[in-house]
Amino acid sequence: GAGVSQTPSNKVTEKGKYVELRCDPISGHTALYWYRQSLGQGPEFLIYFQGTGAADDSGLPNDRFFAVRPEGSVSTLKIQRTERGDSAVYLCASSLAPGQGYYSSYNEQFFGPGTRLTVL
Amino acid sequence: AQKITQTQPGMFVQEKEAVTLDCTYDTSDPSYGLFWYKQPSSGEMIFLIYQGSYDQQNATEGRYSLNFQKARKSANLVISASQLGDSAMYFCAMREASTGTASKLTFGTGTRLQVTL
Repeated sequence: GAGVSQTPSNKVTEKGKYVELRCDPISGHTALYWYRQSLGQGPEFLIYFQGTGAADDSGLPNDRFFAVRPEGSVSTLKIQRTERGDSAVYLCASSLAPGQGYYSSYNEQFFGPGTRLTVL
Repeated sequence: AQKITQTQPGMFVQEKEAVTLDCTYDTSDPSYGLFWYKQPSSGEMIFLIYQGSYDQQNATEGRYSLNFQKARKSANLVISASQLGDSAMYFCAMREASTGTASKLTFGTGTRLQVTL
């Protein structure tokens, strides 16, 4: 079956502009995560959705960042008034919820290919 | 303090040899899980292996095994019989149960492995 998909694969924008990054999780996965990976670093957690609601948004760096998942499937990460420091690869991951399936004991997260955001 | 520490920014190994990638972690949570992911140049994170804090035996998945030393808080990845396709970044990550079963991973800074002929 299809894995996690993310669009666009690359996004170049100017400082101060608004951007939206889209994530399409694996069908049936109720948990969805956004991470940000800066050059030479490991991914850093941004936000986690269980269904439609944000269960943990403690990683969002400031109020310019916002994410939605209105129907419990596709998610959009929205960044307002972009800054050069926002340049990074934004990774989306999805997993089964606790108690579902073979991987319920550790709920492996399946990652998408990422969106490379460049703010000029 | 860093929750996940990977002290080897880069490693070289000859094809067919074994290599150990180091990972130490810091948590006060008695229940946690440790993960290793591979990230090739294409950028996608590929899950390799998992070790739970209560697991009695070291995890193994094909050529990957995890040398779990709980008292030392280390979870080193061992790759046996290295192949050219193993060249990639490798990340150690942890999930702490206190934050929920399906919750965030905390990653280390990674180790770049280069397999040579």
